[in-house]
Amino acid sequence: QQPVQSPQAVILREGEDAVINCSSSKALYSVHWYRQKHGEAPVFLMILLKGGEQKGHEKISASFNEKKQQSSLYLTASQLSYSGTYFCGTESTRGATNKLIFGTGTLLAVQP
Amino acid sequence: IAGITQAPTSQILAAGRRMTLRCTQDMRHNAMYWYRQDLGLGLRLIHYSNTAGTTGKGEVPDGYSVSRANTDDFPLTLASAVPSQTSVYFCASSDSSRDRIIHFGNGTRLTVT
Repeated sequence: QQPVQSPQAVILREGEDAVINCSSSKALYSVHWYRQKHGEAPVFLMILLKGGEQKGHEKISASFNEKKQQSSLYLTASQLSYSGTYFCGTESTRGATNKLIFGTGTLLAVQP
Repeated sequence: IAGITQAPTSQILAAGRRMTLRCTQDMRHNAMYWYRQDLGLGLRLIHYSNTAGTTGKGEVPDGYSVSRANTDDFPLTLASAVPSQTSVYFCASSDSSRDRIIHFGNGTRLTVT
C-alpha cells in the first residue's frame, strides 16, 4: 500500500519554510526522499533508516519516527531551485533488493 | 558517464503490438527495477530483480514481463499493449548491499493508441 503524502501541493515565496509529510500504514525499515523536476528523472535527496534518525542536506533535512511510521521533510529558507515534486519511498523490511513503494508526491512551487 | 540508459526515449505504439523497453546500467548494481509514473499516482513498481537470473513482481505487474540475463540489462516487455499502459516508464538500479540509493534512468514516454 502506498504511503500517504501531505500536503499534495504547496506554494511558497523564496525564503519561506515548508514541511512535507509521509505516513505509512505498515512498519518501516527505511524512508527515502526524492525530488523530481518536470520532465526529468527523480533525484535522490536522502535516506533515513530505522532508529529515529534525522539527516540534513544543506537547508533540507528530514526526520523518521518509526513508531508512528512517519517521516517529514523540512525545507528551510526555500530557493527557486527547490521547486519540483517530492516523493517519499518506503521499505518495510531490509531485503535483498531495496524496492521502494512511493507516495503520490507533493508538488512544491517556489515563487520569487 | 556512468548511469542508466533507457531506449527509446519516446514511442507511440498501436494497441495490440508487442514492445520492449530497453534498460542498461554500467554501475554494476545488483538490483534493478521498473517503475511507471502516471499523473496523480506517483511512481509504481512493476517488476524488480535482485540479481541476474531472478525477478519479482511489484505493485502493478499485469501485462508486463521482464528478464535479467546479466547484471547490466533489464528489458521490460509489453506482450500486447493496451491504452492503459500509456505512461512514463523509469528503469532504476541500486546496490542494495551498500548505500541502497536508487538511481533512475531518464525515462521512456510510451503512448498506446
